[in-house]
Amino acid sequence: QSALTQPPSASGSPGQSVTISCTGTSSDVGGYNHVSWYQQHPGKAPKLMIYEVSKRPSGVPDRFSGSKSGNTASLTVSGIQAEDEADYYCSSHAGSSIYVFGTGTKVTVL
Amino acid sequence: QVQLQESGPGLVKPSETLSLTCDVSGGSISSYYWSWIRQPPGKGLEWIGYIHYSGSTKYNPSLQSRVTILVDTSKNQFSLKVTSVTAADTAVYYCGRDSQPRGSGSLEDWGQGTLVTVSS
Repeated sequence: QSALTQPPSASGSPGQSVTISCTGTSSDVGGYNHVSWYQQHPGKAPKLMIYEVSKRPSGVPDRFSGSKSGNTASLTVSGIQAEDEADYYCSSHAGSSIYVFGTGTKVTVL
Repeated sequence: QVQLQESGPGLVKPSETLSLTCDVSGGSISSYYWSWIRQPPGKGLEWIGYIHYSGSTKYNPSLQSRVTILVDTSKNQFSLKVTSVTAADTAVYYCGRDSQPRGSGSLEDWGQGTLVTVSS
């Protein structure tokens, strides 16, 4: 299966909203509600931010939200803060109980 | 929240077998799905595969012929073997636990990661 497509970079000033897209096909993103989003700071393990398209694990700030339309999932950071600067990866169920990650997006807080 | 810790050799020779173990503490491995993920230096994440505590497994099709994941419930750990390694297998290897007992593909708990370099 091919990696899901994400924009290489995204940016916003503190307090602005930043949205990252994750585009797949009807065989992965479009076909299942098992879409997750991870935040990764340099040298650190990824952290789960969103699961099952729009659910937030305990402890994740509510400024992080997820959605899906067709074959594209999105992560929105509303009121972005300096500590949100990181790499973000989406992942999705891709049929036959296998999973695939996105290409990753580097988010910069200006 | 459980704690996970990867361990194993940091250097493996080409054509040999990479072997890693993930120790689980703060909870029982006898529930949930347990995964291996890797990340080549400066690159993105790649899903390797997962195992259920019952022993059922699923692997990335691109790696399936070279990968084996096993679980040892008596030691509360699971392991990864990758055979016939090449430089392309050089990566930070992470172990992780699914956020849902029924399996959702979302990893809520992660190990710190361990760098494995393939070089002679």
